[in-house]
Amino acid sequence: AQSVTQPDIHITVSEGASLELRCNYSYGATPYLFWYVQSPGQGLQLLLKYFSGDTLVQGIKGFEAEFKRSQSSFNLRKPSVHWSDAAEYFCAVGLSGSARQLTFGSGTQLTVLP
Amino acid sequence: EPEVTQTPSHQVTQMGQEVILRCVPISNHLYFYWYRQILGQKVEFLVSFYNNEISEKSEIFDDQFSVERPDGSNFTLKIRSTKLEDSAMYFCASNQGVTEAFFGQGTRLTVV
Repeated sequence: AQSVTQPDIHITVSEGASLELRCNYSYGATPYLFWYVQSPGQGLQLLLKYFSGDTLVQGIKGFEAEFKRSQSSFNLRKPSVHWSDAAEYFCAVGLSGSARQLTFGSGTQLTVLP
Repeated sequence: EPEVTQTPSHQVTQMGQEVILRCVPISNHLYFYWYRQILGQKVEFLVSFYNNEISEKSEIFDDQFSVERPDGSNFTLKIRSTKLEDSAMYFCASNQGVTEAFFGQGTRLTVV
């Protein structure tokens, strides 16, 4: 069965600092990988996705993520964090190499200090 | 930009009552989903729906739950005889199957 691990429950960074959120997955084949963001009281917004091809993917709001097959990781990065980035971030893997039946990680809560 | 819309945004119901959560998926999407997020926990897959039938469902999706696409635009989740532990945020999503899923804003269900 597929699974996703986000080892950091809560991360605090200062505005302007760089950010890396970790995500490890367990899946037998090439996964479909996603990062979603959830602001307080809001739904899930897709930041970026990896299906195939270039392992460094660019997303919205200045985020990027790198797929590393050897490490079973798909870490999310941003070079300079803005206060509006404070939210909860979820990594997810899709069933059977698709975007159906997503399995989500437990989420990382990001706090941004002024 | 097309979006998935859910109504109501918040539903309060008494234990034992039936509730229907409504969703309007993106119009040209083929797959429809329900997920739920109990407060403080992971987002969990409940069910996927394609071609007017359930294509996959999780262990959570037992006989208490049902889904329906009553017309060409709506997609509903019915929970019969609600329990306290059904209190959660319920998300509807849709996609083309192999593309990313777009999520609605969610319906917060509170069972009292």
